[in-house]
Amino acid sequence: EDKVVQSPLSLVVHEGDTVTLNCSYEVTNFRSLLWYKQEKKAPTFLFMLTSSGIEKKSGRLSSILDKKELFSILNITATQTGDSAIYLCAVQTGANNLFFGTGTRLTVIP
Amino acid sequence: EAGVAQSPRYKIIEKRQSVAFWCNPISGHATLYWYQQILGQGPKLLIQFQNNGVVDDSQLPKDRFSAERLKGVDSTLKIQPAKLEDSAVYLCASSLGGLAGLSETQYFGPGTRLLVL
Repeated sequence: EDKVVQSPLSLVVHEGDTVTLNCSYEVTNFRSLLWYKQEKKAPTFLFMLTSSGIEKKSGRLSSILDKKELFSILNITATQTGDSAIYLCAVQTGANNLFFGTGTRLTVIP
Repeated sequence: EAGVAQSPRYKIIEKRQSVAFWCNPISGHATLYWYQQILGQGPKLLIQFQNNGVVDDSQLPKDRFSAERLKGVDSTLKIQPAKLEDSAVYLCASSLGGLAGLSETQYFGPGTRLLVL
């Protein structure tokens, strides 16, 4: 059975801290891994990772995939209160279906 | 570029009633998805359309849920009759639906929050 596990489930940090969110997976027919940020509305796309070892970067956020060890990390440096959200990891399989983890709830305290 | 549109944003019904949700994908996106997100969980795929055809509906509870995309553009998801455990956010997403074998980013709408009493 396909499985995507995120850790930690929740995290509280102070502004300026650096955080690392983890995502491990066991799926058949892996195609890619995606990270989304979900505030009170729809998930918004952050990164798509298809190759091992190649870091994707956008401002203070970065992510990398390890296809051998079957995991990905999402790093956020110099966190701000606006980074408070649920971060969802999803694995794309087969006909582009997304299989989501339960998410990590990040709270950034001023 | 306009995003994925959904309506209504919120709906409260009693159990055993019927409800329908509407989704209009990003213009030109051939693939449309409906997800159910229960509180505290990640979204779970219910059904995937490619144009007006169903690609995957293996997770759709077909005894009470139905969905259609008759003209290959907008789509409706219906629940009839609703149960308490159907309370969730129903998310619609779309992607280009281009060449087979290529990974595509899915873009999500704001969702419909359903509460079944």
